Amino acid sequence: DAGVIQSPRHEVTEMGQEVTLRCKPISGHNSLFWYRQTMMRGLELLIYFNNNVPIDDSGMPEDRFSAKMPNASFSTLKIQPSEPRDSAVYFCASSLSGIQETQYFGPGTRLLVL
Amino acid sequence: AQSVTQPDIHITVSEGASLELRCNYSYGATPYLFWYVQSPGQGLQLLLKYFSGDTLVQGIKGFEAEFKRSQSSFNLRKPSVHWSDAAEYFCAVENQGGKLIFGQGTELSVKP
Repeated sequence: DAGVIQSPRHEVTEMGQEVTLRCKPISGHNSLFWYRQTMMRGLELLIYFNNNVPIDDSGMPEDRFSAKMPNASFSTLKIQPSEPRDSAVYFCASSLSGIQETQYFGPGTRLLVL
Repeated sequence: AQSVTQPDIHITVSEGASLELRCNYSYGATPYLFWYVQSPGQGLQLLLKYFSGDTLVQGIKGFEAEFKRSQSSFNLRKPSVHWSDAAEYFCAVENQGGKLIFGQGTELSVKP
């Protein structure tokens, strides 16, 4: 299996622009997670889906952030409008559903908002 | 609230020396505990996990961790460190909702 695939790997944009991050989970996995990693706050869970349904979005910072999972093989995280403080590495992870299941992480998208 | 503390932000060890990375958790129920490693520019890779049973857990790359309920700890160990082990290490606890709560990470440097 190719593992979790994320695109783009790097994104540089200007403040106010819309940013869309993409994730393809491992085939057969039915839980998908979006994390943000910064020096100040470490790794934070933003949102996770189970069977394409958002289960917990309490980590989403504000209304500028939105995430969708239209089908089992694709998810997006959108920031509109972007701000410099959104600069971070965004990871997607997937797992079989349920607790005790290992989460497999993608390589991340490094976002820089100027 | 659940939390994970990794007291050491940065550790340097000599190649061939033993390693112990500390992790303390706060969780009311039986914890599910994980150690992940992150190499520069990469995602996180699972080293090992503890759910129940034997409190000494073996993982990949020669790592092991010991769960000590009385100390609320899950320290990661390796008897002999290799230069390729230089990376950042994250301890995490999973809550009953399936969310992983990560510590701040410990960066490991290896001296030749």
